[in-house]
Amino acid sequence: ETGVTQTPRHLVMGMTNKKSLKCEQHLGHNAMYWYKQSAKKPLELMFVYNFKEQTENNSVPSRFSPECPNSSHLFLHLHTLQPEDSALYLCASSQYRTDNEQFFGPGTRLTVL
Amino acid sequence: EDQVTQSPEALRLQEGESSSLNCSYTVSGLRGLFWYRQDPGKGPEFLFTLYSAGEEKEKERLKATLTKKESFLHITAPKPEDSATYLCAARTGNQFYFGTGTSLTVIP
Repeated sequence: ETGVTQTPRHLVMGMTNKKSLKCEQHLGHNAMYWYKQSAKKPLELMFVYNFKEQTENNSVPSRFSPECPNSSHLFLHLHTLQPEDSALYLCASSQYRTDNEQFFGPGTRLTVL
Repeated sequence: EDQVTQSPEALRLQEGESSSLNCSYTVSGLRGLFWYRQDPGKGPEFLFTLYSAGEEKEKERLKATLTKKESFLHITAPKPEDSATYLCAARTGNQFYFGTGTSLTVIP
């Protein structure tokens, strides 16, 4: 266990559904991240939060909406997704945004029908 | 263009058969080269950080080395439990560039 949990672990949704992914870290870290991992592609950094403030949005479509209510919790709200959004969504945290070592959660396997 | 390339894409080894995984990088102003292990159904697990050419780090059967253009992950006498996908990433500024990974299978 890395101290980063994600729920749900698997999610199947239709293109018109609205769902949310949840991430919680028990490490006392201040920076949290959302990554997308697709088959045969490098990890793509989507969003970065540092001390609850969003500091980076790497050109992610607006159908993905992050929320960080406190330093321990991170959400990714999903609506009107496309089949190409099917992937493993990983949450990670680090003590500070400048730290090299990131701790990853187990991911949510998302399938969009 | 900053990028990281890993090879081979997949590698099958007999138990005890040593080998190396390659990570080539082209980034401006490298601030660290990282190796992660990822098991099926899990997130990446941090293994090593290397900062400068000539640096080496070891952990059990794994040794990571760094040159100015590439990094190698040497696996000595691997065991089946070493089977996983190994990812490398290079950092420049606050950006991390990941490779697509090498899927390692160690056969008993």
